[in-house]
Amino acid sequence: GIQVEQSPPDLILQEGANSTLRCNFSDSVNNLQWFHQNPWGQLINLFYIPSGTKQNGRLSATTVATERYSLLYISSSQTTDSGVYFCAVMNFGNEKLTFGTGTRLTIIP
Amino acid sequence: SAVISQKPSRDICQRGTSLTIQCQVDSQVTMMFWYRQQPGQSLTLIATANQGSEATYESGFVIDKFPISRPNLTFSTLTVSNMSPEDSSIYLCSVVRDRNAYEQYFGPGTRLTVT
Repeated sequence: GIQVEQSPPDLILQEGANSTLRCNFSDSVNNLQWFHQNPWGQLINLFYIPSGTKQNGRLSATTVATERYSLLYISSSQTTDSGVYFCAVMNFGNEKLTFGTGTRLTIIP
Repeated sequence: SAVISQKPSRDICQRGTSLTIQCQVDSQVTMMFWYRQQPGQSLTLIATANQGSEATYESGFVIDKFPISRPNLTFSTLTVSNMSPEDSSIYLCSVVRDRNAYEQYFGPGTRLTVT
């Protein structure tokens, strides 16, 4: 099946810093989503982005489907950004999301 | 988006017992799924809940251990049977409204501890 790797696995930043999270996948995809899992375990949808670039406030994401990667940018980090960020992909002919390994982000005040 | 609720939100259960988790959506959805997230790990798909028929299980998961029902387009249950400490996990329900766009939304999860 498709493999999804995220980097870095852990990231510790000072409040106000910017960060870039990466998601690499091993096959062509027709669906890619970014999620934030907060400390209570809730998965929050950030972006549905099988290709192209999207922005939502301090967050933006870019997926380059032909090169099999996606990037999530977080600017001016806040402590509420802490948690685990997952990307999840679905490839053609398959109706199931495969989750990446996750990046644990900790923002220090 | 979708408003999804799960019951219970958390539970502590004895080894050998069973727990049924409920997932309720605010309006009809096309697809419903159940995931497991073991401590410190990513999410793993258990099965696709099919309305009015048997669920479709992923490799490593079987109906006897994780029976699933989906009697209509807004409700599903997952039972964790004959529990052992290895079943301690967060169990999450997720839904897809539009098969064309296929954006998936998740419930708040059920945090299960087996002693």
